[in-house]
Amino acid sequence: KAGVTQTPRYLIKTRGQQVTLSCSPISGHRSVSWYQQTPGQGLQFLFEYFSETQRNKGNFPGRFSGRQFSNSRSEMNVSTLELGDSALYLCASSLTGTMNTEAFFGQGTRLTVV
Amino acid sequence: LAKTTQPISMDSYEGQEVNITCSHNNIATNDYITWYQQFPSQGPRFIIQGYKTKVTNEVASLFIPADRKSSTLSLPRVSLSDTAVYYCLVGDTSGGSYIPTFGRGTSLIVHP
Repeated sequence: KAGVTQTPRYLIKTRGQQVTLSCSPISGHRSVSWYQQTPGQGLQFLFEYFSETQRNKGNFPGRFSGRQFSNSRSEMNVSTLELGDSALYLCASSLTGTMNTEAFFGQGTRLTVV
Repeated sequence: LAKTTQPISMDSYEGQEVNITCSHNNIATNDYITWYQQFPSQGPRFIIQGYKTKVTNEVASLFIPADRKSSTLSLPRVSLSDTAVYYCLVGDTSGGSYIPTFGRGTSLIVHP
């Protein structure tokens, strides 16, 4: 079956702009989580959506938001981009959620803010 | 606050067994320990998950002592293709919700 698909793969944006990233989970998976990966901070949890509801949220400012659609596809939005938002953004899907389950990651979206 | 600590890097040679230990002193009672592997420009890939004692699958073993404050990922007979970054993952429940918390990762380099 198809894996987790993230689009776009690469993105370059200017400070102050906003960006929307997309994630299509594995068919049948209802949980979608987002992570930010940087050399300095490593892999950090942003938020999790399950059946269109945000279930958990990491310690990120309100500029980072997300949503999930009825088909489980998810989008992540970052407004007023800062240079420090440059990172690899990873999406993961799982059957039931982030706790004690196997998560399947996409290849990520590499965001560069200039 | 859940915090995981693992070695930054390790070196090994083909055919050897590699053991990577992660400490997680504040692991929640009902939380499992999960390990992931990541290659450059790819998302992490699940390796193994366990709660206590020993778990084994076709690629690795996971050893968890009775106090569950650490875990050791064991990779038998590594090959060059096992060169990757390995992460342990536990949850932080200190804020009332479950926050998946990755370690900083262990960069394993396998030499010929």
